[in-house]
Amino acid sequence: QVQLQESGPGLVKPSQTLSLTCIVSGGSISSDSYYWSWIRQPAGKGLEWIGRIYASGSTNYNPSLKSRVTISVDTSKKQFSLKLSSVTAADTAVYYCARYSTDNYGMDVWGQGTTVTVSS
Amino acid sequence: QTVVTQEPSFSVSPGGTVTLTCGLSSGSVSINYYPSWYQQTPGQAPRTLIYSTNIRSSGVPDRFSGSILGNKAALTITGAQADDESDYYCVLYMGSGISVFGGGTKLTVL
Repeated sequence: QVQLQESGPGLVKPSQTLSLTCIVSGGSISSDSYYWSWIRQPAGKGLEWIGRIYASGSTNYNPSLKSRVTISVDTSKKQFSLKLSSVTAADTAVYYCARYSTDNYGMDVWGQGTTVTVSS
Repeated sequence: QTVVTQEPSFSVSPGGTVTLTCGLSSGSVSINYYPSWYQQTPGQAPRTLIYSTNIRSSGVPDRFSGSILGNKAALTITGAQADDESDYYCVLYMGSGISVFGGGTKLTVL
């Protein structure tokens, strides 16, 4: 049973870079059948797709965040990461990592989420 | 930029049937958008219900079903139960590796 676990600082200062990691356990991060995704949710608001990465390193990003987002993967550590630069209070949210199935075009496994607050 | 639209809220009586929809601000939703549906209760991570229009995720009861109705994707809950009271989100695949969430529907069972 694949499990995902997000980790990273819970507090980031404005204008700095938010960095989170998602560790994949119980399965392969290198499978051809999956992309690895990041999604976020501000308190009381809806979900927003941030982007995804394939094990090969190929990425796709939300156009509205593309200029500030970098997603990377380290297959040897079975983890993938999110960096969001120049953060503001608007980036305060619960950040989820999720596995995206290329067979079903849907996210089938989710992490529990981690809260990131942007504040000085 | 195309917006994915959902009803902000909906209510259903226990035992009743409700259909939530997922549309586009411009154009029609088809199977080629591979609509998927997710259920979320407060403080919890989303739970995957439906992929690729109508494929139920493992463990999801068959009272949840997905379809295309007219120009929208639809999630139908038959025989609604109290614990179906949740937020429901659809996701559409826009091509070029981009997915977009709808704004979500808050479903009340009363």
